Amino acid sequence: EIVLTQSPGTLSLSPGERATLSCRASQSVSSSYLVWYQQKPGQAPRLVIYGASSRATGIPDRFSGSGSGTDFTLTISRLEPEDFAVYYCQQYGSSPWTFGQGTKVEIK
Amino acid sequence: EVQLVESGGGLVQPGGSLRLSCAASGFTLSSSSMNWVRQVPGKGLEWVSYISSSSISINYADSVKGRFTISRDNAKNSLYLQMNSLRAEDTAVYYCVRDFLRGGIFGVWGQGTLVTVSS
Repeated sequence: EIVLTQSPGTLSLSPGERATLSCRASQSVSSSYLVWYQQKPGQAPRLVIYGASSRATGIPDRFSGSGSGTDFTLTISRLEPEDFAVYYCQQYGSSPWTFGQGTKVEIK
Repeated sequence: EVQLVESGGGLVQPGGSLRLSCAASGFTLSSSSMNWVRQVPGKGLEWVSYISSSSISINYADSVKGRFTISRDNAKNSLYLQMNSLRAEDTAVYYCVRDFLRGGIFGVWGQGTLVTVSS
C-alpha cells in the first residue's frame, strides 16, 4: 500500500499570500495518478486537481499542481477567503487507493 | 444537476448489520463507476469500495473485505453498501462517490451518512 504523507499539518497564512502544500509518497505513484481535494467544514470533499496537474471543472487558475514520482505539490498562488480549508492528496495509481492525512490552510 | 444522496446510516451495535443506499440523479448511473469513501468525524478519508459500471470489477479495502458488499441497481439508479459484522472502528461518515474519467478520481460526492457502531 502506498502511504502518502502531507506537510505541513497546518499552514497559517493571510489572504493574498501563496500557499505551498506537499504530498510525499512512500513509493512512486504510477503515471502521476495523484489528485488533490478541498474540504470545508461540514461539507464533502471537492475535486481540485487530478493527474497531478490538471484542474477540475470550475477550479480557478490560482490552483496548480505539480510533481511526479514520489513528490507532489499543490500551490495556491494568491489565497482567497474561500480557499481556507483542509486539502487532501490521494493516489489512484495502485490499489488500494490511499489518501494523505490532510493539510489545513487556516487564516493567520 | 448531478446529485448523490445517501441514506441508511444510524446507530448499530457491534456485530450488527446496516445497508447504505445512494440515490443518483442528474446522470445515468449505469455509465459510471462508483465508490464508497468514509471519514471518521474530524479525521481523514479512507476509500472503502469500488464497483465498475457493469459490476464486473469490484474492489474492497482490506479493512472491510469479507464484511462489506457493494452492489448497484442501474435500473433504480442506486448504489448500495451492505455492512455486516460491524465494529467500533467502522464508525464514520460514509460518502457515495462517482468517479471522474476513471476509477480512483472521485469527482462527485454525496453529502454523506453517519454510521455509529456502539453498544
